[in-house]
Amino acid sequence: NAGVTQTPKFQVLKTGQSMTLQCAQDMNHEYMSWYRQDPGMGLRLIHYSVGAGITDQGEVPNGYNVSRSTTEDFPLRLLSAAPSQTSVYFCASSQLNEQYFGPGTRLTVT
Amino acid sequence: AQSVTQLGSHVSVSEGALVLLRCNYSSSVPPYLFWYVQYPNQGLQLLLKYTSAATLVKGINGFEAEFKKSETSFHLTKPSAHMSDAAEYFCAVSALNSGGYQKVTFGTGTKLQVIP
Repeated sequence: NAGVTQTPKFQVLKTGQSMTLQCAQDMNHEYMSWYRQDPGMGLRLIHYSVGAGITDQGEVPNGYNVSRSTTEDFPLRLLSAAPSQTSVYFCASSQLNEQYFGPGTRLTVT
Repeated sequence: AQSVTQLGSHVSVSEGALVLLRCNYSSSVPPYLFWYVQYPNQGLQLLLKYTSAATLVKGINGFEAEFKKSETSFHLTKPSAHMSDAAEYFCAVSALNSGGYQKVTFGTGTKLQVIP
């Protein structure tokens, strides 16, 4: 089992550019989530999904879109990158309340 | 609504000393509680979890935590710190929200420094 994988590991964007952060899991978990981690703020939930075709907003959804066409994949799209989106992004899948995290994507927006 | 408060963003202990990381929570429904550890440039790993069974929960690497409902606390302890324990620790609370989803809320983290 690879667990939860994320690509890319690092990314630099210019303001206004768009991109997709990829997340995949091979544990057949129904729940998947995206978080951003910023110094002194812990992890904040961006979007989550309770199964294929079902997504919902977390506490900081603005500027991000998600979709869930398969159980395995849960990509996060930045529509028009802004410097405020500079952060480390973590994808997680969960079962029985236990979350399994990917290694993260460190994004810098200049 | 639910929330988590971790007291102390940085904690320093000497190698071999007791580790105590504090976590207080609030939740309107019976919660599940977790401690996660994050090593530099890595994702979070589960240390231990409380799911309404035993109030004293043992986790990996010699850590344990005690759920105290009367104090709404879930402090993390380890009797003797090791250099490899240096990391950032996150407390989290999970409870069923109105949409039927187990919403997880994380604390802001405590960085543990272990001094040789």
